Amino acid sequence: ETGVTQSPTHLIKTRGQQVTLRCSSQSGHNTVSWYQQALGQGPQFIFQYYREEENGRGNFPPRFSGLQFPNYSSELNVNALELDDSALYLCASSRDGLGGSSYNSPLHFGNGTRLTVT
Amino acid sequence: AQKVTQAQTEISVVEKEDVTLDCVYETRDTTYYLFWYKQPPSGELVFLIRRNSFDEQNEISGRYSWNFQKSTSSFNFTITASQVVDSAVYFCALSGETSYDKVIFGPGTSLSVIP
Repeated sequence: ETGVTQSPTHLIKTRGQQVTLRCSSQSGHNTVSWYQQALGQGPQFIFQYYREEENGRGNFPPRFSGLQFPNYSSELNVNALELDDSALYLCASSRDGLGGSSYNSPLHFGNGTRLTVT
Repeated sequence: AQKVTQAQTEISVVEKEDVTLDCVYETRDTTYYLFWYKQPPSGELVFLIRRNSFDEQNEISGRYSWNFQKSTSSFNFTITASQVVDSAVYFCALSGETSYDKVIFGPGTSLSVIP
């Protein structure tokens, strides 16, 4: 089975710019979650998408937005980049939810996109 | 509110030693799920185990074992006879009972196994 893939692997942007990160979910998975992981910290939940709709959001401002496509792939968009947005952005896929229930699969993560904002 | 604490920031052990990674959690849910993930230098979070709150049996998988104690809200992870390949950051995580409860991660414990 194909795992979660993210692109690009690394990205350097300037403060104020916009960025789009991409994620292809694992085959058979229909839910995508995005996490931000600052250096030396645990991943922080940004939001999740299920059936092409945002279905749960963490404590992130509206300039963090996303999309899910009919093939369950997803994009994370960040507008007006700030220096503190520099982090590893992780995408995770699961089946029928966020992996918190035994009825669905645990989260499976990609390798992440390392974003540096200068 | 849900919270996961991993008090050990960094641990170093010599190869073949046993090591235990601590995890303490807080939740008001009666049903919840606990996880451990491993993050090697490549960055990908690798799922290790999921345990629901009704199952307090300890689990062993090869050199890995997990001790879940509801009374102390702890879900500790032990690696027996550690190997250099075990060097990674390990995250304990918690989620609610519904399919749409987000998974909350602890700050992680960085394990270095020295040859």
